[in-house]
Amino acid sequence: TQLLEQSPQFLSIQEGENLTVYCNSSSVFSSLQWYRQEPGEGPVLLVTVVTGGEVKKLKRLTFQFGDARKDSSLHITAAQPGDTGLYLCAANFGNEKLTFGTGTRLTIIP
Amino acid sequence: KAGVTQTPRYLIKTRGQQVTLSCSPISGHRSVSWYQQTPGQGLQFLFEYFSETQRNKGNFPGRFSGRQFSNSRSEMNVSTLELGDSALYLCASSLLPRTTGGYTGELFFGEGSRLTVL
Repeated sequence: TQLLEQSPQFLSIQEGENLTVYCNSSSVFSSLQWYRQEPGEGPVLLVTVVTGGEVKKLKRLTFQFGDARKDSSLHITAAQPGDTGLYLCAANFGNEKLTFGTGTRLTIIP
Repeated sequence: KAGVTQTPRYLIKTRGQQVTLSCSPISGHRSVSWYQQTPGQGLQFLFEYFSETQRNKGNFPGRFSGRQFSNSRSEMNVSTLELGDSALYLCASSLLPRTTGGYTGELFFGEGSRLTVL
């Protein structure tokens, strides 16, 4: 069973600070997606990365796919209260299922 | 366009009962996946349907079943409910199933059906 471990599990920071959350696996995955879930809603896709070493930027969010295709990171610059939510990574390990990570619950304090 | 619609949003059942949850995908999407979300286990894959056929199944007991209709709407059923089945059940639709080679398309999730088993 492939597992996706996310760290930290919980993160609470002040508005304006920077942060990085991580998604790691012991197995290689073919592609990875990051989703954000807000209370009472389903997850919403932020980005898809498919190439090892790939970096994608979405406004203040920077996503990186590790060279070995076993890890990914999400960096947020100048966090805002609207960034609050549960961040989930999700990977394809080649078994045709989308496996979700354990999640990072982020709280931005105004 | 309308998003993924799940009904009911909230329901309370007692142990031993059964429950049926419904999901209407985005118009034009023919693939529907179901996930169980709990605080302890996170999001776990239940099954995926495409063109009325189950294409993939997660590691859940046979009490969990599903089906898809010709209009792509899907239902999942849980029989003989247990306390541990209390969870948020999320449905997601996509254009193609994950079983399509190399497909990395977006999953569009509904708001979920929150099931409480007493």
